[in-house]
Amino acid sequence: DVKVTQSSRYLVKRTGEKVFLECVQDMDHENMFWYRQDPGLGLRLIYFSYDVKMKEKGDIPEGYSVSREKKERFSLILESASTNQTSMYLCASSAKGLKGNTIYFGEGSWLTVV
Amino acid sequence: QKEVEQDPGPLSVPEGAIVSLNCTYSNSAFQYFMWYRQYSRKGPELLMYTYSSGNKEDGRFTAQVDKSSKYISLFIRDSQPSDSATYLCAMDRNTGFQKLVFGTGTRLLVSP
Repeated sequence: DVKVTQSSRYLVKRTGEKVFLECVQDMDHENMFWYRQDPGLGLRLIYFSYDVKMKEKGDIPEGYSVSREKKERFSLILESASTNQTSMYLCASSAKGLKGNTIYFGEGSWLTVV
Repeated sequence: QKEVEQDPGPLSVPEGAIVSLNCTYSNSAFQYFMWYRQYSRKGPELLMYTYSSGNKEDGRFTAQVDKSSKYISLFIRDSQPSDSATYLCAMDRNTGFQKLVFGTGTRLLVSP
């Protein structure tokens, strides 16, 4: 069974803190993604990575960075958390080249910045 | 204009009803169309996907794509309370990296 694991489900952080969201997949997928999901706005792509140490900006990268040192692990970093980054964050992965296949999502990380 | 439009609902139906969920899109380059189901406080899970135009059936679920109208649908027959969830349509932007474009989701409530 496919598995994308987000280690932190619920976090509360203070404004200005550095926040790390970790994601691990066990499917040997090349592609990994970070989305945020907000009511009325749907899923928005923050960053994605198509290979180790490779990354590309998505639609809303401002205020975020990512790290992919190993194929199975993709981290999202909020350099200085702000209240408008309170959201649900979803990690996902997919196999390269299987166009039309699917993206598999983790359970989500609920971040509240106070 | 958003690339993908989806009515947020909620859509409330009685158990056993036939449900129709829909999305419209503007980018004619989309070729792969997906439906995800998302339960409250969970990640989306793939329900169905179709390539180009046509129908695809899986149990109580039927996905329909009309590329000429830029319109996709998901039909749920004999709806159950366990079908209560948010349904997201998604489309492949054809980038090769599967950067899907998502609708905002329709919340479905099936009452016993």
